[in-house]
Parts: sequence; structure tokens; C-alpha cells
Amino acid sequence: DVVMTQSPLSLSVTLGQPASISCRSSQSLVYSDGNTFLLWLQQRPGQSPRRLIYKVSNRDSGVPDRFSGSGSGTDFTLKISRVEAEDVGVYYCMQGTHWPPITFGQGTRLEIK
Amino acid sequence: QVQLVESGGGVVQPGRSLRLSCAASGFTFDDYSLHWIRQVPGKGLQWVAVISYDAKQKDYADFAEGRFTIFRDDSKSTLYLQMDSLRPEDTGIYYCARGPYGEPDYWGQGTLVTVSS
Repeated sequence: DVVMTQSPLSLSVTLGQPASISCRSSQSLVYSDGNTFLLWLQQRPGQSPRRLIYKVSNRDSGVPDRFSGSGSGTDFTLKISRVEAEDVGVYYCMQGTHWPPITFGQGTRLEIK
Repeated sequence: QVQLVESGGGVVQPGRSLRLSCAASGFTFDDYSLHWIRQVPGKGLQWVAVISYDAKQKDYADFAEGRFTIFRDDSKSTLYLQMDSLRPEDTGIYYCARGPYGEPDYWGQGTLVTVSS
């Protein structure tokens, strides 16, 4: 199974400041068709996960443009350009290239300083 | 809008069975593959199973193989997960999520399963 490793596991950020979360996979996530199935999910307190980013860098509809995804191969990053209060929660990376099984990172908890 | 509503969770003794349901609306149900994903205390998110749009392909996580069965009823726009021989480590919140296979997009609100004597 592909192991997804996130860092840091917790993040405390001042409102308006940037935040960055790293995700590394144990093998390349490039699929045979050239796509890379790396997603980022947000889980706000008391809510179910919500997809923010798919195929590394594509924002889902309704996701603010302060969220951006980047990376390739085995190294990926989620960046929030200016953290807002509504961004508090846990962020997960997920790979859907080598399945079954789909696998997730451990999650990164974002709080406001 | 896309809605996925899970039900069927509850408290069950080890070794017993439970059937979860996920009622879908807001999209053409039989155009999509569907997943079950669970959130286990202390272990984060775990993918459980997926069924293709036409039900011809089903895949399971190792821990689910032989104990869990995923199936769908397109006439009712409903996804199911039959869970047999439940164990305490199956305790968690179970979510259904809409495909595509490698990048599920919409998730339901989840249903809580507690396996305890």
C-alpha cells in the first residue's frame, strides 16, 4: 500500500498569515495515463471531509483561491495564502493512483494562534 | 445539489451484523462509482470499499474483504454496506462518497458505528 506522510501534524497560524502543509508518498503518484491522483481534503470541526483540491492543483468549485496545491511525483504541498478563521480544521492528503486501497495522510490540524 | 445521506449506524455487539445505507440525490446516480470510507478514532481516514457505476466491479480494503459487502440499488438511488462479523476495531464514522474512482468528490455526513459488548 502507498504510505502518505504529512507534516507538520499540527499548525498554529496567525490570522492573515500563510500556511503550508507537506505530503509525501512512498511511491510516485503518476498514473499510467499521465494524471496524478493526489487530493486535499478539509474537515472542519464537527463536519465531514470536503474535497478542496484534485489532481494536485485543481480547486473544487466554491473553494477560495487562497488555497493552492502543487507538487509532483512523491512530494506535494497545500498552501493557504492568508489564513482565515473558517480555515480551522484538519487537512488530509489522499492518493487515488495506486488502489485498492486508496490511502490517506495522517491529517494536519490547523488552529489560529 | 449533490446530497448523500447515510443511515443504519448504531451500537452492535462483536460478531453481529449491520447494514448501512446511503441515499443519494442531486445527480444521476447510475453514472457514478461510489465509495465507503470510515474514520476510526486514532487511525484517521480509512478507505473501505468501492463499487463501479454499473456494479460490475467491487473492491475492498483487506480488513473488509470477506466480511463486508458493498452493493447498490439504482432504482432507489441508494448505496449499501453489509457488515458481518463486526469487531471492536470497526468502530467509527462511516461515510459514503461519490466517485470517480481515484478522486471521490462529495461526501455524506456519516453514520456512527459502535461495536461493543
